[in-house]
Amino acid sequence: RKEVEQDPGPFNVPEGATVAFNCTYSNSASQSFFWYRQDCRKEPKLLMSVYSSGNEDGRFTAQLNRASQYISLLIRDSKLSDSATYLCVVNTGNQFYFGTGTSLTVIP
Amino acid sequence: GAGVSQSPRYKVAKRGQDVALRCDPISGHVSLFWYQQALGQGPEFLTYFQNEAQLDKSGLPSDRFFAERPEGSVSTLKIQRTQQEDSAVYLCASKLGASNQPQHFGDGTRLSIL
Repeated sequence: RKEVEQDPGPFNVPEGATVAFNCTYSNSASQSFFWYRQDCRKEPKLLMSVYSSGNEDGRFTAQLNRASQYISLLIRDSKLSDSATYLCVVNTGNQFYFGTGTSLTVIP
Repeated sequence: GAGVSQSPRYKVAKRGQDVALRCDPISGHVSLFWYQQALGQGPEFLTYFQNEAQLDKSGLPSDRFFAERPEGSVSTLKIQRTQQEDSAVYLCASKLGASNQPQHFGDGTRLSIL
């Protein structure tokens, strides 16, 4: 079983839509969680950390459910510039485990 | 710049050649990671350093892969006798030592084995 499971999509949504991505992880001892954004042929860039109480950064909201072992990312009022692959990342011990990434395309 | 720097950006080699990929982490970052990313996949862990100590190399796919960080700063990933399946993007990331800190990635080296 993979450490991190993520729906690869693709998600194609119109501008202004709200879209949500989920990610599950297998190790209950995992201690920290992140969402990264990766544009085509670019390196992953940190979008936001995910805190137990949930956290928001502008149009982006991240949540963590430790009991069910999943993390989520909600994007409101999608912009064309949000088109990218979104990677969930789970830190367990010294290792960081990545999901396969969810592809998002925002359509005009 | 202040970010993680990797070189070369692109590397083409013939099957059987040895290659060396360089990573210069963010100054002061204790932890350094190497990842391999195939097309359409998330990065896969290769190895991890804390300062000069290689604490985990469980992700290295074979003994042809070797990484070092002799002075606890710059790291080199070496692949000997390259094979076509080694073609991928190799990403380096660094982070501060604290466990809840995120990683910061370099641009990666795109390796193509002919």
